[in-house]
Amino acid sequence: DAGVIQSPRHEVTEMGQEVTLRCKPISGHNSLFWYRQTMMRGLELLIYFNNNVPIDDSGMPEDRFSAKMPNASFSTLKIQPSEPRDSAVYFCASSLGGTSGSSDTQYFGPGTRLTVL
Amino acid sequence: SQQGEEDPQALSIQEGENATMNCSYKTSINNLQWYRQNSGRGLVHLILIRSNEREKHSGRLRVTLDTSKKSSSLLITASRAADTASYFCATALTGNTGKLIFGQGTTLQVKP
Repeated sequence: DAGVIQSPRHEVTEMGQEVTLRCKPISGHNSLFWYRQTMMRGLELLIYFNNNVPIDDSGMPEDRFSAKMPNASFSTLKIQPSEPRDSAVYFCASSLGGTSGSSDTQYFGPGTRLTVL
Repeated sequence: SQQGEEDPQALSIQEGENATMNCSYKTSINNLQWYRQNSGRGLVHLILIRSNEREKHSGRLRVTLDTSKKSSSLLITASRAADTASYFCATALTGNTGKLIFGQGTTLQVKP
């Protein structure tokens, strides 16, 4: 199993540009999560999906952030326009979902390190 | 305030010693999980303990859960330099939403 795949691994862009981060969850997993990690704020949940449907987007910082999951094997997180304070590592994670306790276990991708100049 | 709060924030020990990290939380949970993050990498799941369990072992890891005190501890025995990483507790709240609430983490340094 390839695990959760994220691309790109590193992104450097200028303020005002659009940034799109991509994620491929583990096959068969029904839940997908987007996190942001910074030294100051730690690991923050931005949004998560169950069966491709957004369930909780209360962590999305503002309207500049949007996320989609058009099918079970692909999700995007878009920032438009980007700002320097968006610089962080963005992680995607997936889990089986369902009612079994162990289905909560999340598998993280390697992250995308975003730098906005 | 955080659902999961960990202490200490940082821990430095010698190889061979035991490392203990603590996690406290505020609301009822289905389970509590511990994750490890090596520098520059994603988080890796270590162990899950359900709300009706009190202790669990996995190799050199021992996790305890006290639901009356809303706290958990992670013990790493006979630590190795390769254990150097950040360790996070995460709580799965009752309701089976699938969402995990992560603590701020404990940074462990194991000196060879």
